[in-house]
Amino acid sequence: AQTVTQSQPEMSVQEAETVTLSCTYDTSESNYYLFWYKQPPSRQMILVIRQEAYKQQNATENRFSVNFQKAAKSFSLKISDSQLGDTAMYFCAFSPPEYGQNFVFGPGTRLSVLP
Amino acid sequence: EPEVTQTPSHQVTQMGQEVILRCVPISNHLYFYWYRQILGQKVEFLVSFYNNEISEKSEIFDDQFSVERPDGSNFTLKIRSTKLEDSAMYFCASSVHGAIAKNIQYFGAGTRLSVL
Repeated sequence: AQTVTQSQPEMSVQEAETVTLSCTYDTSESNYYLFWYKQPPSRQMILVIRQEAYKQQNATENRFSVNFQKAAKSFSLKISDSQLGDTAMYFCAFSPPEYGQNFVFGPGTRLSVLP
Repeated sequence: EPEVTQTPSHQVTQMGQEVILRCVPISNHLYFYWYRQILGQKVEFLVSFYNNEISEKSEIFDDQFSVERPDGSNFTLKIRSTKLEDSAMYFCASSVHGAIAKNIQYFGAGTRLSVL
């Protein structure tokens, strides 16, 4: 069974600074997908970024980028130029490659962006 | 942008009562899911549904739970006899089938269930 670990329950960062959230996972699969979801105080789960395991290149979405280290089973999220609206709970999630498979979520990291 | 919608946003019920949580997935999606998040805890998978039947379910999804797609748009989660420990945020998600989809699940805003 797959597991996802996020070792930082809480983090804070000053506005405009850069922060990195860590995520590690365990799987015997060779191909899979990894995601970061954001859950602001409104509680809706919003997709931030995704990575396909067979792609070497790290995914980037505007101020969000990942550092995917497949051998180390590590998938960290970097947020550049942090904004107050980035304050949220961030969940790392793993998905097998087959469609319709459930996500396995990590326990989350609560990020606070300070003015 | 199309989105998954869930109603109600907050449901309060008495222990032992039946509740139905409703979801309208994105219209061209074929896979549907329910997840649960107890306050302060991580999101947990409950069940996935495809082609009008359950494709996978977790240990949490016991006989008290059922899912249904009663028409072409709604996807419901029923809890027959609620317990205090069923109090949680329930998220519906959907995904589209196809190579382009990249297995992305789109989540609704959730229904907060409070069992008293």
